[in-house]
Amino acid sequence: AQRVTQPEKLLSVFKGAPVELKCNYSYSGSPELFWYVQYSRQRLQLLLRHISRESIKGFTADLNKGETSFHLKKPFAQEEDSAMYYCALRGATNKLIFGTGTLLAVQP
Amino acid sequence: EAQVTQNPRYLITVTGKKLTVTCSQNMNHEYMSWYRQDPGLGLRQIYYSMNVEVTDKGDVPEGYKVSRKEKRNFPLILESPSPNQTSLYFCASSTSGSGYNEQFFGPGTRLTVL
Repeated sequence: AQRVTQPEKLLSVFKGAPVELKCNYSYSGSPELFWYVQYSRQRLQLLLRHISRESIKGFTADLNKGETSFHLKKPFAQEEDSAMYYCALRGATNKLIFGTGTLLAVQP
Repeated sequence: EAQVTQNPRYLITVTGKKLTVTCSQNMNHEYMSWYRQDPGLGLRQIYYSMNVEVTDKGDVPEGYKVSRKEKRNFPLILESPSPNQTSLYFCASSTSGSGYNEQFFGPGTRLTVL
């Protein structure tokens, strides 16, 4: 079965501290993985996708097939990074499966 | 401006009174989808559509209907709403349903069923 697990409901860090938002997935094939972000009072929007291997707003995410993980990282958190972050998986059925989300709170 | 629009944005209704939430996109996207967002459960897919007249169930389709008669519109229909359908609903669209295509989300519709 396809599943996405985000174990942390809330992650609170201080400005300038490193951030790691955890995402683990369950899927037997080659997954397509995404991170979406929802800032306060804004629409959900794509942050990055694993195929791009790019850094967006200082965030990166590496697919680790051995650990079935796709953790989102940023070396130095900023206050404007405070938002709800969702990890998502698309499998063979074209369904997009979201995790339960992690609320990142960056304290000044 | 390329966007996904939903109407209404807020709706309070009573149990059993049929309602429709509209979704429209102006990007000529083939793929459209509906999600509900509930605290602690994240986003769960209700229905999706790969193209006109092609729809399929997501993970939580019970109590909902959809139709895709035109490419730009994908209404969500609740024939007999119940309180457990109180939620925040999002419509999304993308170029296609496969690959790494970005999904563009609407602003959300907050539904309360009394």
